[in-house]
Amino acid sequence: GENVEQHPSTLSVQEGDSAVIKCTYSDSASNYFPWYKQELGKRPQLIIDIRSNVGEKKDQRIAVTLNKTAKHFSLHITETQPEDSAVYFCAASIQAAGNKLTFGGGTRVLVKP
Amino acid sequence: ETGVTQSPTHLIKTRGQQVTLRCSSQSGHNTVSWYQQALGQGPQFIFQYYREEENGRGNFPPRFSGLQFPNYSSELNVNALELDDSALYLCASSLQGAHNEQFFGPGTRLTVL
Repeated sequence: GENVEQHPSTLSVQEGDSAVIKCTYSDSASNYFPWYKQELGKRPQLIIDIRSNVGEKKDQRIAVTLNKTAKHFSLHITETQPEDSAVYFCAASIQAAGNKLTFGGGTRVLVKP
Repeated sequence: ETGVTQSPTHLIKTRGQQVTLRCSSQSGHNTVSWYQQALGQGPQFIFQYYREEENGRGNFPPRFSGLQFPNYSSELNVNALELDDSALYLCASSLQGAHNEQFFGPGTRLTVL
């Protein structure tokens, strides 16, 4: 089955700096890669996703890149703000197979003011 | 349009007991997936229900079972509870065949003593 590795497990950045989180996946059939943000005690919320026919996607201060050959994808947050502090999860799935998500272990991001 | 809801919010059980968790899917969604999130870890896929049938299962024993009802709401049942079953149980609803974005409920925190 699919295995998703996520690094780093914790990330501390100064407000205004960029944050980068990297994930690798094992199943070359995976074609959907969402990123979720989970604040303490709250539900995971989808912040951005990318499909395998696209190499990069951007939404304001967040962007995701996908390298299908290397089987890795990354989340980039620019101009970080204190409200970006949360746990971020990457995930992978095969959309035609019902989109059952395999998650990475999470990255705890702390943005210091 | 209403979001995904789950009940109860918190639950305390003792080892060997049985528990039923409930999930109401987002309006217009026909698929419910269940995930177990242990403390400090990423969610793990338990199973998915589509059109009242199980549509895929993760690496969980048969004492984890589920149901989906005609209104697409769902139940997760766990028999013979073990201490390691203590976790946040998340359900996510989606629309099969479309972009498949999964929207999570707030979760049920289960503690097994």
